[in-house]
Amino acid sequence: KNQVEQSPQSLIILEGKNCTLQCNYTVSPFSNLRWYKQDTGRGPVSLTIMTFSENTKSNGRYTATLDADTKQSSLHITASQLSDSASYICVVSRNTGFQKLVFGTGTRLLVSP
Amino acid sequence: GAVVSQHPSWVICKSGTSVKIECRSLDFQATTMFWYRQFPKQSLMLMATSNEGSKATYEQGVEKDKFLINHASLTLSTLTVTSAHPEDSSFYICSARPGQGVSSYEQYFGPGTRLTVT
Repeated sequence: KNQVEQSPQSLIILEGKNCTLQCNYTVSPFSNLRWYKQDTGRGPVSLTIMTFSENTKSNGRYTATLDADTKQSSLHITASQLSDSASYICVVSRNTGFQKLVFGTGTRLLVSP
Repeated sequence: GAVVSQHPSWVICKSGTSVKIECRSLDFQATTMFWYRQFPKQSLMLMATSNEGSKATYEQGVEKDKFLINHASLTLSTLTVTSAHPEDSSFYICSARPGQGVSSYEQYFGPGTRLTVT
């Protein structure tokens, strides 16, 4: 079954601290893995997208890693800011001819002052 | 670049009426657009995939006669919720995929439309 599981489900950290979100997937055939940030009441915004051959990608204070062998990914947020409070969704794209996305349930991050 | 807009951003309608939601790709042509539904504290669930000029492909369990999708141009797709009921209240999000280029596998999401059926 094609699934994407994320942990933790929710997380509270102090402003300025770092955190790491986890994503495990059982999606096949694999095409790429994406991390999105979704603010409450808004659509998801892409942070990173990685193909099979990429094992790390950064976007400012966000760094994503991918281990295609163990089917795991992580999103590391450095020096968190209040504006980082959002849901972070791991999404794996299946290579079925038209790139069908399988969504994780997300990690709700709250950055506290 | 790669901006997707939705209109309206939120709508309240009475049970039994129909509501149309528009999704536009503002600065690129989208050969494929996707419609998702998201309930509170849940992830996005794909409802249907639409390709410009052809009929939409609906996911299992999604009623095609209730959720009418029209993708009449490369920059516009519409979702019409017909005979809406309170259980249709949800957050509807569209996404669009560029037709060509290195970003052709990327999907750009709209800001979403909050539908409340009373």
